[in-house]
Amino acid sequence: GNSVTQMEGPVTLSEEAFLTINCTYTATGYPSLFWYVQYPGEGLQLLLKATKADDKGSNKGFEATYRKETTSFHLEKGSVQVSDSAVYFCALKAGNNRKLIWGLGTSLAVNP
Amino acid sequence: SQTIHQWPATLVQPVGSPLSLECTVEGTSNPNLYWYRQAAGRGLQLLFYSVGIGQISSEVPQNLSASRPQDRQFILSSKKLLLSDSGFYLCAWAPGPTPTGEKLFFGSGTQLSVL
Repeated sequence: GNSVTQMEGPVTLSEEAFLTINCTYTATGYPSLFWYVQYPGEGLQLLLKATKADDKGSNKGFEATYRKETTSFHLEKGSVQVSDSAVYFCALKAGNNRKLIWGLGTSLAVNP
Repeated sequence: SQTIHQWPATLVQPVGSPLSLECTVEGTSNPNLYWYRQAAGRGLQLLFYSVGIGQISSEVPQNLSASRPQDRQFILSSKKLLLSDSGFYLCAWAPGPTPTGEKLFFGSGTQLSVL
């Protein structure tokens, strides 16, 4: 079946450090891939997405590239800020299924 | 613009008590509506979704139920809460009628503690 595996947290970084949060998936066909972010005290919001192989999603300095050969969609940011402290979720949607398959979330804490 | 309201933000309930969480969406018509639960260590789990008034699909068997009495209102209920119902509940909507799934907009969530 379809599944998403996300690196376990928590991840603690200093401001301006490089961030990578790994996400790999298992799916039939060609899923769409997403990163959602949940800031403290808020609901989730879509951060970026990619709908086909080699697509790169980007937003707020974050990037993720859809790698079909490695079935991965790793989230990266070159220089994190304290305001990036949040929980990040990787998710996929396969075909016309309305359900998103979610990773467990990775908590990121950025220290000044 | 569209907004989603979910309340209450936090709730502490004793085991065996009833539950009612409400979610409303403004600024759109005929949305697809969702209830998710985020339990510690288990990630996000889709509980219910609805594509229209009175139409509810349940993803997992559980102690909870959902209702959609109006187009933009989605209610999560339980007659008797269990300890295992504790968690963070998120309401979400997506543009209908095509259930694309990815354009999900989430409410701010309800932290439910069952004691």
